[in-house]
Amino acid sequence: DADVTQTPRNRITKTGKRIMLECSQTKGHDRMYWYRQDPGLGLRLIYYSFDVKDINKGEISDGYSVSRQAQAKFSLSLESAIPNQTALYFCATSDPSPSYTFGSGTRLTVV
Amino acid sequence: QKEVEQNSGPLSVPEGAIASLNCTYSDRVSQSFFWYRQYSGKSPELIMSIYSNGDKEDGRFTAQLNKASQYVSLLIRDSQPSDSATYLCAGPYKSGGTSYGKLTFGQGTILTVHP
Repeated sequence: DADVTQTPRNRITKTGKRIMLECSQTKGHDRMYWYRQDPGLGLRLIYYSFDVKDINKGEISDGYSVSRQAQAKFSLSLESAIPNQTALYFCATSDPSPSYTFGSGTRLTVV
Repeated sequence: QKEVEQNSGPLSVPEGAIASLNCTYSDRVSQSFFWYRQYSGKSPELIMSIYSNGDKEDGRFTAQLNKASQYVSLLIRDSQPSDSATYLCAGPYKSGGTSYGKLTFGQGTILTVHP
């Protein structure tokens, strides 16, 4: 099994719909992150969490929310999806170094 | 200005050549930098980290950090077609005055190694 698992792998949704992307990890790391990747823009940080009770906004948190259900689980929600949220989303975990382990990504298309 | 920038366009080198990838950063006090490789359709994977001024070598890869000039580079010797990928430079992401533990990424450089 992968160290960091993201579900779903691909999703097409309609504008205005609520959608949740899930991430679980078996690395035992306290730190978890959500990034989105757009062509030519690299990876941009959406939210991060350093433990279950710690949630912080990143560079581009508007339109997103997160939930840290347990040390191993970190979910990203789009409350009302819009087309410019079409992107590749990555979850990552790290130790304090920070050496990241990424999930396989979720390709989200909002139509 | 992005905290970490990779401004060079796609890079194409012949097999066996040295590929040189560059990255600049804006925060003079940043201490640690990372290079990730991302194959098309895959997730990024860490290939090098560097924490101090100078060079760090690992096999065919050499990371260089120049704090005076605020740039980081990655050299790939004896480039192989399997090195063809996007290379992402990453450094500390500062928010609320602290950068501890979070990364910001450059835009990435696409490397193609042709036989």
